[in-house]
Amino acid sequence: SQTIHQWPATLVQPVGSPLSLECTVEGTSNPNLYWYRQAAGRGLQLLFYSVGIGQISSEVPQNLSASRPQDRQFILSSKKLLLSDSGFYLCAWSRSHSTDTQYFGPGTRLTVL
Amino acid sequence: GQNIDQPTEMTATEGAIVQINCTYQTSGFNGLFWYQQHAGEAPTFLSYNVLDGLEEKGRFSSFLSRSKGYSYLLLKELQMKDSASYLCAVGLRYGNKLVFGAGTILRVKS
Repeated sequence: SQTIHQWPATLVQPVGSPLSLECTVEGTSNPNLYWYRQAAGRGLQLLFYSVGIGQISSEVPQNLSASRPQDRQFILSSKKLLLSDSGFYLCAWSRSHSTDTQYFGPGTRLTVL
Repeated sequence: GQNIDQPTEMTATEGAIVQINCTYQTSGFNGLFWYQQHAGEAPTFLSYNVLDGLEEKGRFSSFLSRSKGYSYLLLKELQMKDSASYLCAVGLRYGNKLVFGAGTILRVKS
């Protein structure tokens, strides 16, 4: 069966500091991978998605970036965090080459102070 | 562009039936998904409709009308643990993406 991991689970960072969130998937090959952000009491905002190694599509212009160095690894980064980057960050995967069901990781709760 | 509308909040009584509606306007429709999200947790998949009609899965059912751009999630025999946010999402034919509504917070009271 497939599992998806995210870490860390919670993170408190000062404004202007860097960020690196990691997501890994097990039990599947060549998945589509997604990063979402959910602000408190709000819906899911798609940030990035990837259909393969090194292939990243950005949905919203911002100071975040994503990378996919390995088939089942997806990383979300920032060089300098803003207060507005606070939120619940969710990684998801789906089967490749289709609009298929997305399965979410446990999420990372980021607070920028 | 895409637009998905759901009620913001609903309240229902334990043991009752509740229907959560979702209307959408999208280009390149490729399926309608429902997710459940408990407070502080990640969304979990509930149901998927790509053809018109009703899909039943235990206490939960989901309905789709593509011509009307309309779906609903029906929850029967409500339990306190059903208190959660319910997210409607539309699959897009191009781009391997889902577009999510803002979610409906369901409160189940005893």
